[in-house]
Amino acid sequence: LAKTTQPISMDSYEGQEVNITCSHNNIATNDYITWYQQFPSQGPRFIIQGYKTKVTNEVASLFIPADRKSSTLSLPRVSLSDTAVYYCLVGDRSNTGKLIFGQGTTLQVKP
Amino acid sequence: GAGVSQSPSNKVTEKGKDVELRCDPISGHTALYWYRQSLGQGLEFLIYFQGNSAPDKSGLPSDRFSAERTGGSVSTLTIQRTQQEDSAVYLCASSLEGTLLELFFGSGTQLSVL
Repeated sequence: LAKTTQPISMDSYEGQEVNITCSHNNIATNDYITWYQQFPSQGPRFIIQGYKTKVTNEVASLFIPADRKSSTLSLPRVSLSDTAVYYCLVGDRSNTGKLIFGQGTTLQVKP
Repeated sequence: GAGVSQSPSNKVTEKGKDVELRCDPISGHTALYWYRQSLGQGLEFLIYFQGNSAPDKSGLPSDRFSAERTGGSVSTLTIQRTQQEDSAVYLCASSLEGTLLELFFGSGTQLSVL
C-alpha cells in the first residue's frame, strides 16, 4: 500500500482557493487516489476519487500529474465550514484490505 | 437507507472491564473496517472484514482486542481488560465490493477508560 505524505496544517481565508498536496511516491499501477474530509466528532466523509489527470465534482477538484506520484485536492472559494481535517488515501479499489490513512492536513479557514 | 450505525455513541468504563462496541454497516456492503482515533490524532487501522472473514488482523493492538462479523452484516469489536490507553474514538466504516476506497463511516464510539 502506497505511503502518503501531507502537510500537517494549512491556514486560509474565506473566499480563497485552497490546494492541499499529497505525495505518494510508491503508488502502484492499480492504485486510485481518494480524499476524505473529517469534521470534529464525526467520521471521515468521502470527497473525491481519481486515477489520473483531473476529476471534478460539486465539492472539489483533484489534480493528478502524469507520473501520479502526487495529487492535489483543490477547494474553490472556501468558507468557514470547510475547516476540517483532509486525508489522502491511496490503494487498489478491488483488493484493499488494510487501508492506511495518513496523518491528514488540518485546514483552518479564517474570516 | 440509513448510514453506518455505531453503538453506543459513548461508553465510560473502569479499567479492567470488558467492553463491546457494535457496528451496523450499510445494507449490502461487503467490506467492513474498524479504526481507532485518539484525541487529535489520525486514523489507526485495526481490522478489515470481507464478508464474515477477516483476512488481516495485523492492526489489532494486542490480544485483548478481538472482532467478529456475523451474517456478513453486524460487527462487534471487543476489548478485554480495558486499559486507560484504550481511550479513543472507535470508528467503523463499510463499503461496496469494487468500490473499496469509498468508505462510509459511522459517527464512532467514544470510549473512556477511567
